[in-house]
Amino acid sequence: AQTVTQSQPEMSVQEAETVTLSCTYDTSESDYYLFWYKQPPSRQMILVIRQEAYKQQNATENRFSVNFQKAAKSFSLKISDSQLGDAAMYFCAYRAHNAGNMLTFGGGTRLMVKP
Amino acid sequence: NAGVMQNPRHLVRRRGQEARLRCSPMKGHSHVYWYRQLPEEGLKFMVYLQKENIIDESGMPKERFSAEFPKEGPSILRIQQVVRGDSAAYFCASSRGPTDTQYFGPGTRLTVL
Repeated sequence: AQTVTQSQPEMSVQEAETVTLSCTYDTSESDYYLFWYKQPPSRQMILVIRQEAYKQQNATENRFSVNFQKAAKSFSLKISDSQLGDAAMYFCAYRAHNAGNMLTFGGGTRLMVKP
Repeated sequence: NAGVMQNPRHLVRRRGQEARLRCSPMKGHSHVYWYRQLPEEGLKFMVYLQKENIIDESGMPKERFSAEFPKEGPSILRIQQVVRGDSAAYFCASSRGPTDTQYFGPGTRLTVL
């Protein structure tokens, strides 16, 4: 079974600085997708970024980028120029390409942004 | 383009009552997924449905829980004879196809007294 681990229950960052959230996963599949979702206090799940495992290039979305290390099964999220609105729970998620369509989530990292 | 709709947003039930949670997928999406989030935890997959079919219910508790996605109307997650342990946030997600990105609704927070 696939597992996703987020080893940092809480992180804090100063406004305008950069922070990296860690995620590791375990799978025997070769083709899969990885995601970061943001959950603000409203509890809405918002897709931040998506990475296809077959792509070597790391995905980027404006201030958000990932460091995808397939051999190490690591998928970290970097947030640059942190803003107060970035404060939220962040969940890393995995989905196999063919073996079912469920998302497997990590336990989450609470990010606090200090003004 | 409306997103995934869920209602009610908050639902309070007493032990032994039934809870019905509704989910309307995004326009053009025919794949629906239900997830449960217990306090201070990540989301856990429950069930995956396409129109009129349950594709994967490996995450559903064996008793009291059921889900459907009829040809017309929203997907329904039904919990019979609720217990306090059912208190959680229930999220629905939808996707256009089986390998497309899943977009989430705002969730239904169920409280069992």
